[in-house]
Amino acid sequence: GAVVSQHPSRVICKSGTSVKIECRSLDFQATTMFWYRQFPKQSLMLMATSNEGSKATYEQGVEKDKFLINHASLTLSTLTVTSAHPEDSSFYICSAGGSGGFRDEQFFGPGTRLTVL
Amino acid sequence: GEDVEQSLFLSVREGDSSVINCTYTDSSSTYLYWYKQEPGAGLQLLTYIFSNMDMKQDQRLTVLLNKKDKHLSLRIADTQTGDSAIYFCAESGGTGTYKYIFGTGTRLKVLA
Repeated sequence: GAVVSQHPSRVICKSGTSVKIECRSLDFQATTMFWYRQFPKQSLMLMATSNEGSKATYEQGVEKDKFLINHASLTLSTLTVTSAHPEDSSFYICSAGGSGGFRDEQFFGPGTRLTVL
Repeated sequence: GEDVEQSLFLSVREGDSSVINCTYTDSSSTYLYWYKQEPGAGLQLLTYIFSNMDMKQDQRLTVLLNKKDKHLSLRIADTQTGDSAIYFCAESGGTGTYKYIFGTGTRLKVLA
């Protein structure tokens, strides 16, 4: 299957700083990328859907000014957690679609663990 | 909104079969998936089934879909200790978009 990478895999930051997480589709052009958040021992919650070159669509309850998403190219989407606080500590997973496989197929990155002190 | 439910825990002995169940509410789902997540890791797609299928088999894995009851199951034959993980079912297509709705996850523990 197609490969999606995330960077960094782990990040620890101080409260009030901003953190950028990159999601890359390595061997295909992703027309759509998705960002999920997973709290310990819980399921994945979709945060937003981004299409290349357009604004992201955020799920209800997700603050767009807090979680900035940029999908500037067909192989790269970034999630910036602005003014991070301890409650933003979580596992963030991206996925990419549009590989040419079956219509709904998404490929998931390995995740980024964010810890805010 | 859409809802996908799973039982939280399942414990089986090595060599036995495991059956993980999932129920969903959106009858217009197009695809249903099973993912495996090991501690601290991302998601591994195990298998998926198109909504017009009843069953799909792939080596040790058997997926059964009862569309009338909106029930999906994953059977793992000859369960091994390496199968210990969290298993998520997910559905897509029901909202008219490609969004995935994930289940709550089932933690499978395989006893040696």
